Amino acid sequence: GENVEQHPSTLSVQEGDSAVIKCTYSDSASNYFPWYKQELGKRPQLIIDIRSNVGEKKDQRIAVTLNKTAKHFSLHITETQPEDSAVYFCAAPSGYALNFGKGTSLLVTP
Amino acid sequence: GAGVSQSPSNKVTEKGKDVELRCDPISGHTALYWYRQSLGQGLEFLIYFQGNSAPDKSGLPSDRFSAERTGGSVSTLTIQRTQQEDSAVYLCASSFLAGSASDTQYFGPGTRLTVL
Repeated sequence: GENVEQHPSTLSVQEGDSAVIKCTYSDSASNYFPWYKQELGKRPQLIIDIRSNVGEKKDQRIAVTLNKTAKHFSLHITETQPEDSAVYFCAAPSGYALNFGKGTSLLVTP
Repeated sequence: GAGVSQSPSNKVTEKGKDVELRCDPISGHTALYWYRQSLGQGLEFLIYFQGNSAPDKSGLPSDRFSAERTGGSVSTLTIQRTQQEDSAVYLCASSFLAGSASDTQYFGPGTRLTVL
């Protein structure tokens, strides 16, 4: 099955700086890569996703890049704000479900 | 519109007791998933429903865990003879399309289970 590795496990940045979270996957047939944000005590919410027919996707301050050859994809958050503080999870399809990375705890300090 | 809902939000039980966790998916969503999130960990897949059938039960950790879905809607996850290692947040998710993990999954708020 699919194996998803996520790094770093924790990330601390100053407000206004950029944050980058990286994930690798093992199944070269995977074609869909979502990113979820989970605030403390809340449900995971999809913030952006990318499909294997494109290399980059942007939505305001958030972007995701995909390198199919290297089998890795990354989340980029620019101009970080304190409300970006949360745990971020990457995922890739594994059979019928998603296989999630172990999460990155992002802290944005004012 | 209404999102995925789960009940109860919190459940404290004694070791050895049975518990039932409920999930109400978004109306019209064919696919339903159960995941488990242990403290500080990622989301661990448990079971997938396509309509009322469960073609993938591979994530259920033991035969103490079972789930059903009725009317293509509500699902119940049952844990029998609970153990302390069952303590976790149990998350339900649903998506419109069945048979594809590439359709957006919408998560419920979870049930926090504590086994004493």
